[in-house]
Amino acid sequence: NAGVMQNPRHLVRRRGQEARLRCSPMKGHSHVYWYRQLPEEGLKFMVYLQKENIIDESGMPKERFSAEFPKEGPSILRIQQVVRGDSAAYFCASSPTDGTDTQYFGPGTRLTVL
Amino acid sequence: GEDVEQSLFLSVREGDSSVINCTYTDSSSTYLYWYKQEPGAGLQLLTYIFSNMDMKQDQRLTVLLNKKDKHLSLRIADTQTGDSAIYFCAEARSNDYKLSFGAGTTVTVRA
Repeated sequence: NAGVMQNPRHLVRRRGQEARLRCSPMKGHSHVYWYRQLPEEGLKFMVYLQKENIIDESGMPKERFSAEFPKEGPSILRIQQVVRGDSAAYFCASSPTDGTDTQYFGPGTRLTVL
Repeated sequence: GEDVEQSLFLSVREGDSSVINCTYTDSSSTYLYWYKQEPGAGLQLLTYIFSNMDMKQDQRLTVLLNKKDKHLSLRIADTQTGDSAIYFCAEARSNDYKLSFGAGTTVTVRA
């Protein structure tokens, strides 16, 4: 049973470009969470999605950031017009149901903005 | 300030026990987790404890929870070089899916 998959593992973008981060949850999991880890900090919640629905995006910046989890395919975190401050590790987690179920994390995507 | 606090660094000799401490603020927290992050890698779930428990043991790992003081600790017995990593404490509040993480404790195991 494969774990949570994320790709790419490393992504380099120049300022103003777009970054697309992908997350495939564990088999049987229909709930996806995105977290961001800035250098030397803990993870901060960004967004919680179920298939075709955004449940909570309270941790996501209002501009330039968007997330989706389509009926088919992986969840996508999209960052438009990246800036240097977007450089961070972005982790995806999944759970079979919401709330109290344990979240299992992927290996993360490390975004570097030049 | 952070809702979950941890000391930043711990150095321990190989073979000794490591104790990593964490304090949290929300008394409604239901689950408390310990995750391990090795350099350049993702978070690996090590163990968790439900808030109605005081202690949980899993092989070399012992988790102690003092709910009154909102204090959580992770003890690693017979620490090995492979235990060198960053350890994150995280809380899940009642009816809330968001995990709140501490900043992580970097554990360095020296020979």
